[in-house]
Parts: sequence; structure tokens; C-alpha cells
Amino acid sequence: DVKVTQSSRYLVKRTGEKVFLECVQDMDHENMFWYRQDPGLGLRLIYFSYDVKMKEKGDIPEGYSVSREKKERFSLILESASTNQTSMYLCASSLLAGGDTGELFFGEGSRLTVL
Amino acid sequence: AQSVTQLGSHVSVSEGALVLLRCNYSSSVPPYLFWYVQYPNQGLQLLLKYTTGATLVKGINGFEAEFKKSETSFHLTKPSAHMSDAAEYFCAVSEPGGSYIPTFGRGTSLIVHP
Repeated sequence: DVKVTQSSRYLVKRTGEKVFLECVQDMDHENMFWYRQDPGLGLRLIYFSYDVKMKEKGDIPEGYSVSREKKERFSLILESASTNQTSMYLCASSLLAGGDTGELFFGEGSRLTVL
Repeated sequence: AQSVTQLGSHVSVSEGALVLLRCNYSSSVPPYLFWYVQYPNQGLQLLLKYTTGATLVKGINGFEAEFKKSETSFHLTKPSAHMSDAAEYFCAVSEPGGSYIPTFGRGTSLIVHP
């Protein structure tokens, strides 16, 4: 069975802390994504990656960075967490664009609270 | 550019009643369309998808959706709601030949009353 695993389901951090959210997929997918989910706003794309060491900004990249050193792992980094980054973060993966339909496979989510 | 509009942030039905969740899209090419479901404190999982072929698509848990090109719609239905259907539902669109990155609607919360 396909699986996307997010390392932390719940995190509580303080303003100014550096936060790492880790995501691993076991499906050999090329594409990986980080979304942020807030009530009434749906899913907003932060960053995506279509290959190792490649990354592209999504709709709301400000305040975030990402790292993809290995194909199966995609990390989201908050360099200096702020209270307005309190949210649910969802990682997803999909096949390479050429043979793909855009179907995403999601992790369980990481709920981050910044105090 | 592609976009998705889900009418109604909340839909409330009685158990056993028809479920209808509305989704309209805009796309510059014939799209791929998706419905995802999210149960509380979980990630999203695919309910069903339309790519090509038959416009009526059946998914898991008794849900189905019909692609209507003339109406640019992809509404989700289920004949009889069950308490376990209470969840958040997201419609999404992607464009073949483009980036394949889907655009999501804002979601509709389905509430099922006993």
C-alpha cells in the first residue's frame, strides 16, 4: 500500500524557533508538495519539488524554505516561526508529470501551533 | 489558468438523505477532475477522479460524480448519507499537458444529522 509519512502529527513551538517538518514517501514518486490548510481557505501550495534538489515556489512561499536531498524525502523549514504560521501542514506526492493525472497522495498532516 | 469553486462551505443533511456537493471549475483545456475526502485530523484521500471516457464516475463509499462540460461542473453525489460520511470534501482540477499541479477548492464540510 502506498504511503506518505509525516514525522510529527502535532508540534508546539515558540515564536522565533526554527521548525523542521519532515515527509517521506515510499512510492518512488518524482513530485512532492507541501500545502498549508486553514479553515475557509482550503489548501494552499507552499512549495513543490519535481526532482531531487529541485524546488519551485507555490502560492505562499514567504517565510518557508524546503529541502529535497533524496527522492523520497521532502522537508519544510520555517526559519523563524511566527504565530501566523500556526496551521495544518500537509505533504503530498505524485508521479512524474508526463505519466500523471495530477492525483496526489497525502500524508496524515502535521498540526503546528506557534506560541 | 485553472480554478475551482465549491458552493457552500457547509452542507447539512439528515442520515439517509441525498448528498449533493457542488463543484464548478474553469480550465483552458479539458481538465482532470478530482474529489478528495478528509476525515477529522487526517490527510486527504482520493474519493474519485475523472480523466477521460465515461463522464459519470463512481468512487469509494457509494459516491459518484458527473463531469458536465457544458456546465463546467463536477458535482459529487451519494443517494443516502451515512453518519460516517461527515467530513471535509475538496474538489480539485488539473490541466493535462500542463504542470499537472492540481488547484483545490476551499472545501465543503458535510454534516450528517441522525
